[in-house]
Amino acid sequence: QKEVEQDPGPLSVPEGAIVSLNCTYSNSAFQYFMWYRQYSRKGPELLMYTYSSGNKEDGRFTAQVDKSSKYISLFIRDSQPSDSATYLCAMWGNTNAGKSTFGDGTTLTVKP
Amino acid sequence: GAVVSQHPSRVICKSGTSVKIECRSLDFQATTMFWYRQFPKQSLMLMATSNEGSKATYEQGVEKDKFLINHASLTLSTLTVTSAHPEDSSFYICSARDGPDGQYFGPGTRLTVT
Repeated sequence: QKEVEQDPGPLSVPEGAIVSLNCTYSNSAFQYFMWYRQYSRKGPELLMYTYSSGNKEDGRFTAQVDKSSKYISLFIRDSQPSDSATYLCAMWGNTNAGKSTFGDGTTLTVKP
Repeated sequence: GAVVSQHPSRVICKSGTSVKIECRSLDFQATTMFWYRQFPKQSLMLMATSNEGSKATYEQGVEKDKFLINHASLTLSTLTVTSAHPEDSSFYICSARDGPDGQYFGPGTRLTVT
């Protein structure tokens, strides 16, 4: 079983919809949680990071971490066609040589 | 956010030759850099972790003699694909950690071996 599980999708929504992307994990040592966006043929771009449990909001994006359930989410409000990309969750703790563990990514398409 | 550059962005080489890819952290010092490989429509695959001034740590199944990594300074790591073959054709992405809350990626290098 993978340490981080992410629904690969694909996920297709109409423009303006609220998108929910989720990851579950098994390693309780994870303390830092990140979301990346990757466009085709580009390197991943860090969208948001959260330390421990809680919510964090940045514009149309909200990241939630529930450590008790080992579950993290990224919400995108008022989704736009430009949000169409693959979204990767990532997490790490103070061990494991600083390596982040990534989900496999969810491919999102926002249709105009 | 922090910026990581990668050069070249695209390279085509003949089978049997070696190719060097550079990764630089432009506005921060990175004691740890990572090299990933990604095939089309697949997830990131960590190849190795590179620490400044020491030998890289390779993931299981990655040939360290084929993928030479050098982390010569706090802002530069290089990946050399030696004696490249068509099966080495892939998208190579470097990443650098800027403290606990940020791991930033370069734009990637598309390698095609003919």
